[in-house]
Amino acid sequence: DSGVTQTPKHLITATGQRVTLRCSPRSGDLSVYWYQQSLDQGLQFLIQYYNGEERAKGNILERFSAQQFPDLHSELNLSSLELGDSALYFCASSGDRGGNTIYFGEGSWLTVV
Amino acid sequence: ILNVEQSPQSLHVQEGDSTNFTCSFPSSNFYALHWYRWETAKSPEALFVMTLNGDEKKKGRISATLNTKEGYSYLYIKGSQPEDSATYLCAGNTGGFKTIFGAGTRLFVKA
Repeated sequence: DSGVTQTPKHLITATGQRVTLRCSPRSGDLSVYWYQQSLDQGLQFLIQYYNGEERAKGNILERFSAQQFPDLHSELNLSSLELGDSALYFCASSGDRGGNTIYFGEGSWLTVV
Repeated sequence: ILNVEQSPQSLHVQEGDSTNFTCSFPSSNFYALHWYRWETAKSPEALFVMTLNGDEKKKGRISATLNTKEGYSYLYIKGSQPEDSATYLCAGNTGGFKTIFGAGTRLFVKA
């Protein structure tokens, strides 16, 4: 158990809909990262927050947004969903900006039908 | 832009073989290099984080080295076992806040 909690574990939704994925980082970790793993793809960096502020952005679509709340949990919002958004979304956390070990949650499987 | 490349893409070895993989990253603005082990249907599990040129880390039969001047890291597995079968990911961080993962090396160890 990494200490990073993600909900929901599985989600099936229709095209055009909007979903929210939730992540609670390890106790004390200030950085939260979101990654996407699509079929036959590696881990694609989406976005990172550090202590409530957005610090780095990767290949995140405009239809996607995220935030980190004062209690350090984070949410990834995916809207106007398309079939291609079906993927495993990982949240990860670390104590600092990237020199410490990054711990991954178990992921949220999103299937868009 | 941080581009992390791993080779080979996949590797098939026999039980007992020793093997190694390569991770290449831009040497400028280097901050940290991570190695992860990723089994199917599980989340990536951290193996090592290295920050200094010449760093060597070891965990059981697995070890890693880091060369920040030339921008590469090697991961070694001594005496591979079937349970070592997994995807091995490296990730680079340039001191900003992005940690970018390579595509991984998929290792298959046959008993």
